[in-house]
Amino acid sequence: EVDLVESGGGLIQPGGSLRLSCVASGLTFSNYYMYWVRQIPGEALLSVARVNGDGSATVYSDSVQGRFTISRDNAKNTLYLQMDSLRVEDTATYYCAGETYFKFDYWGQGVLVTVSS
Amino acid sequence: QSALTQPASVSGSPGQSLTISCTGSSRDVGSYNLVSWYQHNPGKAPKLIIYDVTKRPSGVSARFSGFKSGNTASLTISGLQAEDEADYYCCSYGGGSTYVFGTGTKVTVL
Repeated sequence: EVDLVESGGGLIQPGGSLRLSCVASGLTFSNYYMYWVRQIPGEALLSVARVNGDGSATVYSDSVQGRFTISRDNAKNTLYLQMDSLRVEDTATYYCAGETYFKFDYWGQGVLVTVSS
Repeated sequence: QSALTQPASVSGSPGQSLTISCTGSSRDVGSYNLVSWYQHNPGKAPKLIIYDVTKRPSGVSARFSGFKSGNTASLTISGLQAEDEADYYCCSYGGGSTYVFGTGTKVTVL
């Protein structure tokens, strides 16, 4: 059974930093492009960052470009999202998701990030 | 890219069929047969139920089916069951390594 488990969320002040982690099991982790997808209440899901299978290529949404960094450690089956210069509008539930052939095969349960003073 | 448009909520009685629409544009839904659908129970992991517009992953009930015409995709749930009560999201490839998701639809089984 495939499982993706996120951690690292919480309450942080504007301008602060957080690092999210997503530990994967039950799948060949390196075969999947991995994403962080966020959901702000009342809004559509948004893919904020993507990393390819070996970690050599990344893509970011305009809203987080230059502030967030996605990375992966295939030896540990773990995906990361370093979030710096956090803004109130980054408040959301963040999901990690694994993608192959234009579909998101697996998702985690999500982790809540609240940016507030 | 703008989010795909879905109805906020739909409802039906057990045994009925219901359809959820997902409207995009010629830049996403209209250009690619790469629409997927996800079932999400809050607090749990979203689950892939349809991909490539019409295909079902192994283990997903045949009561779920997908369709696309022009810039609009749709998900039909046949023989509605209480366990189908959840939020449903569509997603389309948008070119250039981008994906656009729908606004989400809450399905209520009466």
